[in-house]
Amino acid sequence: TQLLEQSPQFLSIQEGENLTVYCNSSSVFSSLQWYRQEPGEGPVLLVTVVTGGEVKKLKRLTFQFGDARKDSSLHITAAQPGDTGLYLCAGAPESGGYQKVTFGTGTKLQVIP
Amino acid sequence: KAGVTQTPRYLIKTRGQQVTLSCSPISGHRSVSWYQQTPGQGLQFLFEYFSETQRNKGNFPGRFSGRQFSNSRSEMNVSTLELGDSALYLCASTNTGFGTDTQYFGPGTRLTVL
Repeated sequence: TQLLEQSPQFLSIQEGENLTVYCNSSSVFSSLQWYRQEPGEGPVLLVTVVTGGEVKKLKRLTFQFGDARKDSSLHITAAQPGDTGLYLCAGAPESGGYQKVTFGTGTKLQVIP
Repeated sequence: KAGVTQTPRYLIKTRGQQVTLSCSPISGHRSVSWYQQTPGQGLQFLFEYFSETQRNKGNFPGRFSGRQFSNSRSEMNVSTLELGDSALYLCASTNTGFGTDTQYFGPGTRLTVL
């Protein structure tokens, strides 16, 4: 079973601060996805990283896939209240095909105005 | 395109009862996956249906079952409900069902078992 551990589990910060969320595993993934889930809604895909060492930016969000494709990080610059939500990473197995992604344990972020 | 819809949004049942949840995927999507989300266990995969056939199954007891209709709509059923079945049940649809596909999630059905 592939496990994805996220840290921290909870994060409460002031508007304008920077933060980093980590997603770690002992398994290698073919790709890694990051989702954000807001209360009362399902997760929404933010980004997919595929290549080891890849860095992708989405406005104030920066995503990085580890060189060995076992871990990933999400960095938010100048957090805003609209960033509040549950952040989930999800890894696609190396075997590929129709096997489903494994979701991480989640990081609950609260940005206080 | 309309998004993934799930009905009902909220459900309260008692132990021992059974429940059926419904999911309508995005038009044209043939793969529907079901997930259980709880604070303790996170998001866990239940099963996936593609063209009316179960293609993948997670590690859940046989009390959890599902089916898919010819129009790709899917239902999941939980029999003999237990307190631990209280959770948010999410369905997600994709076109092909490949693991790397973007999954489009519905808003979920919040099930409370008393």
